[in-house]
Amino acid sequence: EAGVAQSPRYKIIEKRQSVAFWCNPISGHATLYWYQQILGQGPKLLIQFQNNGVVDDSQLPKDRFSAERLKGVDSTLKIQPAKLEDSAVYLCASSLGLDNYNEQFFGPGTRLTVL
Amino acid sequence: AQSVTQLGSHVSVSEGALVLLRCNYSSSVPPYLFWYVQYPNQGLQLLLKYTTGATLVKGINGFEAEFKKSETSFHLTKPSAHMSDAAEYFCAVSSGGGFKTIFGAGTRLFVKA
Repeated sequence: EAGVAQSPRYKIIEKRQSVAFWCNPISGHATLYWYQQILGQGPKLLIQFQNNGVVDDSQLPKDRFSAERLKGVDSTLKIQPAKLEDSAVYLCASSLGLDNYNEQFFGPGTRLTVL
Repeated sequence: AQSVTQLGSHVSVSEGALVLLRCNYSSSVPPYLFWYVQYPNQGLQLLLKYTTGATLVKGINGFEAEFKKSETSFHLTKPSAHMSDAAEYFCAVSSGGGFKTIFGAGTRLFVKA
């Protein structure tokens, strides 16, 4: 079974530039998550999708971050414009359903460096 | 509201020694509790989880954890450390009713030969 795919693995940009990350979840997983993991901290949920609808985006900085999952399968997360404090690893995860006891399967992440 | 505290950002043990990683949680409703492991340049992988039922939970790679409601703890243990256990470990809490999963700050485990 293929795991969660993410690209790119690494990205270096200058502040005020824009960047986009892509995630393809495990086939059949209805729920998709984007997390931000700053060095030395645990993952923090940015946005959660159930199929193509948003379940929780309360911690997404909506003035600069956006995410979509148009067909309920793969997803993109965009930052525009980037700030220095956005330097982090962005993790995508998926799970079978919405229930919080479900295991989340994580991709390898995209390491973003903002200069 | 929910929160997770992992005591000790770094833990060092000798190969063959007991591994104990501490996790305390706060939750206003019955929690679901998880331990995930993260190897360098990889995503997180589930070690074990507690939802309901038996409070001693066994996971992969010889790890286990015990849910202690009175102590609001979910400590992770392994009787004998192996070099391959060196990684970062995250405790997480969630529950039903729309609560998101909250991760602790992580504990990095070092295993000395």
